[in-house]
Amino acid sequence: NAGVMQNPRHLVRRRGQEARLRCSPMKGHSHVYWYRQLPEEGLKFMVYLQKENIIDESGMPKERFSAEFPKEGPSILRIQQVVRGDSAAYFCASSPAGTFDNEQFFGPGTRLTVL
Amino acid sequence: AQSVSQHNHHVILSEAASLELGCNYSYGGTVNLFWYVQYPGQHLQLLLKYFSGDPLVKGIKGFEAEFIKSKFSFNLRKPSVQWSDTAEYFCAVTNTGGFKTIFGAGTRLFVKA
Repeated sequence: NAGVMQNPRHLVRRRGQEARLRCSPMKGHSHVYWYRQLPEEGLKFMVYLQKENIIDESGMPKERFSAEFPKEGPSILRIQQVVRGDSAAYFCASSPAGTFDNEQFFGPGTRLTVL
Repeated sequence: AQSVSQHNHHVILSEAASLELGCNYSYGGTVNLFWYVQYPGQHLQLLLKYFSGDPLVKGIKGFEAEFIKSKFSFNLRKPSVQWSDTAEYFCAVTNTGGFKTIFGAGTRLFVKA
C-alpha cells in the first residue's frame, strides 16, 4: 500500500513564477491537509480539503496561494508569483476521515526554493 | 489561541542515556496529543498518540509519553537512547473531533555513538 506521494521533491523557482505542488493521498483516504515548514519552525497548518471541497483554509495566506482536490487526480497547492519568503518545505498529509480519531499520514514533502 | 511549546530545540546525548523531551500545550478544551518523528531524509512518522484513557502512552521503538492534564504537558521519554534515534521530534495537538493540528517547533536529537 503506497504511502502519501508528493512531487516534485525539490522545486526551484525564480521570483514571480508559479509553483505547483502535487499530493496523492494514500489509497482509501479522501481527506488531505497541507502544512508549511519554515526553517527552525514547526509545521504550520495551511488548508484542509476533501474531494472537491475546501473545508478550512484559515492557515493559507489570502493572496497568491490556492489549493484544490479534484474528484480525480492529486491535490494541488498552487503558489502564484512566488517570493523569497515562500521558500519552505511543504508537507501534505492524508487521512481516511476528517476527525482526529484517525491518524494523519505524511508525505515526504516538497522543498521549494525561490531564487 | 492554541499553541504547542517544545522546551529544547537541540539535545545531544550519548548512547544509553535517558531521554525526556518536554512539550506543553495551550488549549482549554479536550485535546488529542501526538508525537511525530522525522528521521534524516525521511517524512514524518507517528511515534505515539493519546486520545483518552491511560495517560501513559506506549509508542513504537521503546518511546512513551505521559499526559499530565493539570500541567498541560505531554513529555516524551525513552529510558535508553540509541544512535538510530537521531532525528527531529515534533509534539502536536488537536482539539478532540477537530482536524487542525498544531505542531511544536521541533526538537533535534543527536545521539553520539
